Amino acid sequence: DAKTTQPPSMDCAEGRAANLPCNHSTISGNEYVYWYRQIHSQGPQYIIHGLKNNETNEMASLIITEDRKSSTLILPHATLRDTAVYYCIVRVWGGSEKLVFGKGTKLTVNP
Amino acid sequence: EAGVAQSPRYKIIEKRQSVAFWCNPISGHATLYWYQQILGQGPKLLIQFQNNGVVDDSQLPKDRFSAERLKGVDSTLKIQPAKLEDSAVYLCASSSKTGTGEEKLFFGSGTQLSVL
Repeated sequence: DAKTTQPPSMDCAEGRAANLPCNHSTISGNEYVYWYRQIHSQGPQYIIHGLKNNETNEMASLIITEDRKSSTLILPHATLRDTAVYYCIVRVWGGSEKLVFGKGTKLTVNP
Repeated sequence: EAGVAQSPRYKIIEKRQSVAFWCNPISGHATLYWYQQILGQGPKLLIQFQNNGVVDDSQLPKDRFSAERLKGVDSTLKIQPAKLEDSAVYLCASSSKTGTGEEKLFFGSGTQLSVL
């Protein structure tokens, strides 16, 4: 079973920041938070991952709370092409534990 | 860099028939995964290969599903005989770990299977 809880759907206006929350209250000290997204009719795409520090790359920013029980993926300037299902996953770094996907959050970016 | 290639893109069969899916991972990626994604759900891992050896096939219905990865490169997933509940998208992914254990999965576009 997935170890994360995400809202089933969210809406965002084009050009605004999209903030996608994820709860992972049972996360262990050696588990990382990964984010993937899946655009319609495509396979999932890696976005970002982190342990406890905030992370930023060319796609998004990841904010992890100090107690690590929740995190937020931020798309700073959402575009219509960011409409997708976003999956938050926790996984041991480098472990053989399989990547378990939940149902994710369906983000709809509106013009 | 070429991505993960899968074929066919779509397949329609009748129940009790057999079907096979093919995957060509990113060059040099040692790890290959097959996932099943039923409509409205997240992908579920069926089998994981490390080179040509099976690492995890605990969720593979072995009475009807089989997979192989000859020579540690391409892989095929077969269903025989198919059931109605096998209708899903079958996703192949590959990855390689760095020396620090970093691993990112790269997915193909999948094969959409409809069993009638």
